[in-house]
Amino acid sequence: DGGITQSPKYLFRKEGQNVTLSCEQNLNHDAMYWYRQDPGQGLRLIYYSQIVNDFQKGDIAEGYSVSREKKESFPLTVTSAQKNPTAFYLCASSRGLGRDNEQFFGPGTRLTVL
Amino acid sequence: KQEVTQIPAALSVPEGENLVLNCSFTDSAIYNLQWFRQDPGKGLTSLLLIQSSQREQTSGRLNASLDKSSGRSTLYIAASQPGDSATYLCAVPSDNYGQNFVFGPGTRLSVLP
Repeated sequence: DGGITQSPKYLFRKEGQNVTLSCEQNLNHDAMYWYRQDPGQGLRLIYYSQIVNDFQKGDIAEGYSVSREKKESFPLTVTSAQKNPTAFYLCASSRGLGRDNEQFFGPGTRLTVL
Repeated sequence: KQEVTQIPAALSVPEGENLVLNCSFTDSAIYNLQWFRQDPGKGLTSLLLIQSSQREQTSGRLNASLDKSSGRSTLYIAASQPGDSATYLCAVPSDNYGQNFVFGPGTRLSVLP
């Protein structure tokens, strides 16, 4: 079955730690995205990547970093510089841009700072 | 800058009722519009994608319409069921390249048995 997987499902972080969230897709999609969702709010774009070895900042990139070394993988690191990281993180992918930009989402990772 | 709103924020209906969810966007120059469903604590499930050249799309009991000129889309759910209870979100591309998206805040639907 084709799809997007995210791991772990739940993640707990201590103050001052960096943590990495995994996102893998086997849909052969070129574009991948990371969003953050807070209670009662819409999704906000953190980073996106249109192709391997290239990525762009979204609306709330501060305190986050990404890499895109393989087409299938787009990990997100939440650094200690992110002041309020507790949120639900969603990864998505699409075949491409423009009219090919229908997005498909993974199940999400819930990050809690202790 | 593209902005997306959804009305109502929450809706509660008895089972079997037909209902309409609304999505409004400020910039009508969009490639397409996508409707999603989100269950509590889960990811988003794509329901329908309407291209800018289309007026509506149908999938089962769902029908989505798009009126670019007025900056509106509606999601019509026929014969609602308790299993339809979820949050429904719409999203549009934020620029002419369709590489970023702007999401509405969602409508939380409860269908009562």
